[in-house]
Amino acid sequence: DTEVTQTPKHLVMGMTNKKSLKCEQHMGHRAMYWYKQKAKKPPELMFVYSYEKLSINESVPSRFSPECPNSSLLNLHLHALQPEDSALYLCASSQDRYRGNYGYTFGSGTRLTVV
Amino acid sequence: AQTVTQSQPEMSVQEAETVTLSCTYDTSESDYYLFWYKQPPSRQMILVIRQEAYKQQNATENRFSVNFQKAAKSFSLKISDSQLGDAAMYFCAYYDGGATNKLIFGTGTLLAVQP
Repeated sequence: DTEVTQTPKHLVMGMTNKKSLKCEQHMGHRAMYWYKQKAKKPPELMFVYSYEKLSINESVPSRFSPECPNSSLLNLHLHALQPEDSALYLCASSQDRYRGNYGYTFGSGTRLTVV
Repeated sequence: AQTVTQSQPEMSVQEAETVTLSCTYDTSESDYYLFWYKQPPSRQMILVIRQEAYKQQNATENRFSVNFQKAAKSFSLKISDSQLGDAAMYFCAYYDGGATNKLIFGTGTLLAVQP
């Protein structure tokens, strides 16, 4: 299995809702990443997990809450989002945080719309 | 800080022709890795090609090849025999594994393929 699977593919949520994005990989990778991507822009790093521990938080607002329950699964919990948070959210993984030299494997993303 | 620059926001190529996408980067590191990622409308970031900075030989993957000029800090992607399926956003990316342990993306080039 050489894939990163993200669910759901599309999500529409109100500003008072709570929702979660899910990311799963079975490649034995020990680093997992959340990125936010606006249209025609490069992905922006949000969080890095290394061996199931939060390693980097790129000053992301607390309305985004990551969770890594095990080495294969990464969640992003969403609460009280703003319309400007509407974007494509990409998950990625790599062998570990210090061995990204083979590149990251990306999922196909969740298209989030906040109304 | 490491930066990656793609000076061509949009490019167009005729089917079966050759196109070259430009990328320059800035770093003080001597050991690093460079990548080209493709992001079609399906949204998934797909690794196209990878170059190790300590290797002088340019990487090649089927119709995709790079021109890596380490002294000039230039890393261009050549797509030969362009196909309609090559239409996508292309991102150049840098990873140094030392200073930041992060994958740093350029701003992207949107490639259109004309039939």
